[in-house]
Amino acid sequence: DAGVTQSPTHLIKTRGQQVTLRCSPKSGHDTVSWYQQALGQGPQFIFQYYEEEERQRGNFPDRFSGHQFPNYSSELNVNALLLGDSALYLCASRSPGRLSNYGYTFGSGTRLTVV
Amino acid sequence: AQTVTQSQPEMSVQEAETVTLSCTYDTSENNYYLFWYKQPPSRQMILVIRQEAYKQQNATENRFSVNFQKAAKSFSLKISDSQLGDTAMYFCAFMNPRTVNNAGNMLTFGGGTRLMVKP
Repeated sequence: DAGVTQSPTHLIKTRGQQVTLRCSPKSGHDTVSWYQQALGQGPQFIFQYYEEEERQRGNFPDRFSGHQFPNYSSELNVNALLLGDSALYLCASRSPGRLSNYGYTFGSGTRLTVV
Repeated sequence: AQTVTQSQPEMSVQEAETVTLSCTYDTSENNYYLFWYKQPPSRQMILVIRQEAYKQQNATENRFSVNFQKAAKSFSLKISDSQLGDTAMYFCAFMNPRTVNNAGNMLTFGGGTRLMVKP
């Protein structure tokens, strides 16, 4: 049973460019969340998607946007990249209904470096 | 808003010994969930153990157990018989089970504790 799959694993972009990160949730999961983890810090919540809509958003600027597809996969887009956007981006998925309180399953992340 | 604090940036323990990682949190909620996640160099967050706030009994998972003190808002992780494979970053996380816009709620993480198990 495949877990959460993220692509690409590593990415180098130039300041001002745009980037798209992709996530496939674990089989049976319908909710996808994105987190940003700066080096040496804990993950920070970006936003969460359920039924193809953004349901909750953390304290991130509008340069960060996302999308969820009918197959529950998701994309994270970041426009006008800044050096400070360099981080590990983690995708997490969860089960529907009451099983969701068993927590999230995380992918291995995409390491984004902005130069 | 919830906050989670891990006051130990780094810890080390000898193989086969016991180590305790600390976590405190702040919330006005009465019902919530607490988690410990492990992040090895492979980067994937792996769920170690979870605790439901309305359960007084401390959760255990094999060599891992927690000491949940609700009044003190403390949630420590004890690792017994430490193994080399336990070397990783450990994150404490909080989740409010109430839905937000019909969807589940987010996780709030602490800053992490780097654990090194020495042979």
